[in-house]
Amino acid sequence: GDSVTQMEGPVTLSEEAFLTINCTYTATGYPSLFWYVQYPGEGLQLLLKATKADDKGSNKGFEATYRKETTSFHLEKGSVQVSDSAVYFCALSRDTGTASKLTFGTGTRLQVTL
Amino acid sequence: DAGVIQSPRHEVTEMGQEVTLRCKPISGHNSLFWYRQTMMRGLELLIYFNNNVPIDDSGMPEDRFSAKMPNASFSTLKIQPSEPRDSAVYFCASSFGRGGEAFFGQGTRLTVV
Repeated sequence: GDSVTQMEGPVTLSEEAFLTINCTYTATGYPSLFWYVQYPGEGLQLLLKATKADDKGSNKGFEATYRKETTSFHLEKGSVQVSDSAVYFCALSRDTGTASKLTFGTGTRLQVTL
Repeated sequence: DAGVIQSPRHEVTEMGQEVTLRCKPISGHNSLFWYRQTMMRGLELLIYFNNNVPIDDSGMPEDRFSAKMPNASFSTLKIQPSEPRDSAVYFCASSFGRGGEAFFGQGTRLTVV
């Protein structure tokens, strides 16, 4: 079945450091890929997405490129801020008839310190 | 639109009691998902509906859990009887069409004592 594997957390970085959170997936067909972010006490929010191979999703300085050859969708940001501290989830969406089924990774907690 | 609305936000109940969680999806969305989040198991998909019909309930942990979607604007997740290991945050999400972004509610934090 479909699955998403993320790097274990927590990831602790100093402000302005470079961020990479690794994500790989297993799925049949051609899934869409997503990164969601969860701030404390809140639900998940979409951060960025890519719907086909070689697409790059970007938002708020975060980027991820859909790499079909390595089945990966790594999240990167050039300079993190304290306000980026949150849990980040990689996810894939595979169409099933008229709907899509979302499968999430386990999440990676990011802590950014001054 | 107010987004996905879940109620209650917090629920504390005694073991053996029935618990009902409620969800109102975004108007016009045709898919609805129930997830459970715990520290140990992360985010698990319990069940999802398309056009009010359950499509995949393979994530429902056992017969104590049941979910319904009587119409396009309302869904419930029921646990009967509840057990301490059911303590978790339960999220509802909705989306439209194929490949669409899922929008999450703020979750219901359930504590079973």
